[in-house]
Amino acid sequence: AQSVTQLGSHVSVSEGALVLLRCNYSSSVPPYLFWYVQYPNQGLQLLLKYTSAATLVKGINGFEAEFKKSETSFHLTKPSAHMSDAAEYFCAVNRGSSASKIIFGSGTRLSIRP
Amino acid sequence: DAGVIQSPRHEVTEMGQEVTLRCKPISGHNSLFWYRQTMMRGLELLIYFNNNVPIDDSGMPEDRFSAKMPNASFSTLKIQPSEPRDSAVYFCASSFVGGTNTGELFFGEGSRLTVL
Repeated sequence: AQSVTQLGSHVSVSEGALVLLRCNYSSSVPPYLFWYVQYPNQGLQLLLKYTSAATLVKGINGFEAEFKKSETSFHLTKPSAHMSDAAEYFCAVNRGSSASKIIFGSGTRLSIRP
Repeated sequence: DAGVIQSPRHEVTEMGQEVTLRCKPISGHNSLFWYRQTMMRGLELLIYFNNNVPIDDSGMPEDRFSAKMPNASFSTLKIQPSEPRDSAVYFCASSFVGGTNTGELFFGEGSRLTVL
């Protein structure tokens, strides 16, 4: 069975500092992997996705994630945090092409200190 | 292009009342999902439709919850009677399943339900 584990329910960084949000997955087949962002009082929106092409995936707002099969990880990074990055971030895995098989992680709340 | 549209954005009701949440998926998408989000349980899939047909409703909490999709551009989630523990944000999401699609979801902005 596939699952997603996000390490750290809350991460706080200073403005301008590196952002690192961790995600590990388990899947018996090569997965599709996603990061979604949820700003306050809004729905989730796709930040980036891995679909077995390049292992380093670039997303919106300067975020990127690297698929590491050996570590079963898909960590999200951004070199320099901005106040507007404060949000909840969800990692998700999809074993197939049907969205019904998407499994979401429990989310990581990112806070940015001035 | 219009995204997934949900209404109402906010609903406050009293215990025992009927609540109806509405969703218009993205045109051309063939799958629609209802999720519930709470602090305690996170994001839970309630029900999933494909081509207007309910495929998996195993996440629906109990018989008080029902969902319909009468056509490709409209779905409802109904709670009758509502209870305080139903208070949550309910999200509708749509997707296109088929071909080389990777199964990503497109979410609406949610309906925040408070049952007093």
